[in-house]
Amino acid sequence: KAGVTQTPRYLIKTRGQQVTLSCSPISGHRSVSWYQQTPGQGLQFLFEYFSETQRNKGNFPGRFSGRQFSNSRSEMNVSTLELGDSALYLCASSLVGLATYEQYFGPGTRLTVT
Amino acid sequence: AQTVTQSQPEMSVQEAETVTLSCTYDTSESNYYLFWYKQPPSRQMILVIRQEAYKQQNATENRFSVNFQKAAKSFSLKISDSQLGDTAMYFCAFMKPLDSYGGATNKLIFGTGTLLAVQP
Repeated sequence: KAGVTQTPRYLIKTRGQQVTLSCSPISGHRSVSWYQQTPGQGLQFLFEYFSETQRNKGNFPGRFSGRQFSNSRSEMNVSTLELGDSALYLCASSLVGLATYEQYFGPGTRLTVT
Repeated sequence: AQTVTQSQPEMSVQEAETVTLSCTYDTSESNYYLFWYKQPPSRQMILVIRQEAYKQQNATENRFSVNFQKAAKSFSLKISDSQLGDTAMYFCAFMKPLDSYGGATNKLIFGTGTLLAVQP
């Protein structure tokens, strides 16, 4: 069974632009969570989608948004990019979206904002 | 709010020896889950081991085991017979299964990580 895939793997954008990252979960997984990883702030939860609905959201500004499609694939969008948005963005999928089920992470998308 | 603390930024161990990574957490919840994740240089986050708070027995996965002390809010990871492939950043993480409104949540709260180097 294929693992979690994220595209693109690397991205360079300019301040003020917007970016869309994609995550395809493991087949059959309905929950997708997004995390931001930076050297300064560590790993921080962005949001989680389950059955096309945002179920939880972390403490990030409204510039960060996401959505989930009927096939469970998820996208996250960051508008009006700032230098501080440079990070590794990880997504994770799980079967049902309960704590009893393990989360499987993708390889991440490395976003650099210049 | 829950917090997870890993007080050892870096550790080093000789191949084949045993090493213990520390993790403490703060929560008022009684039902929750704890995890150790490994992130090697490839940056791929891999689940190492999971512990349910309601279980008294410490979780074990091959060479990896935990020492879960619920009253002390401590969750350490022991790696036996360390191998070069164990070199990675290790993150301790906390999850409560329900949010404040009783809804299911899949939100992991991570510690700052411990960089483990296994020396040949």
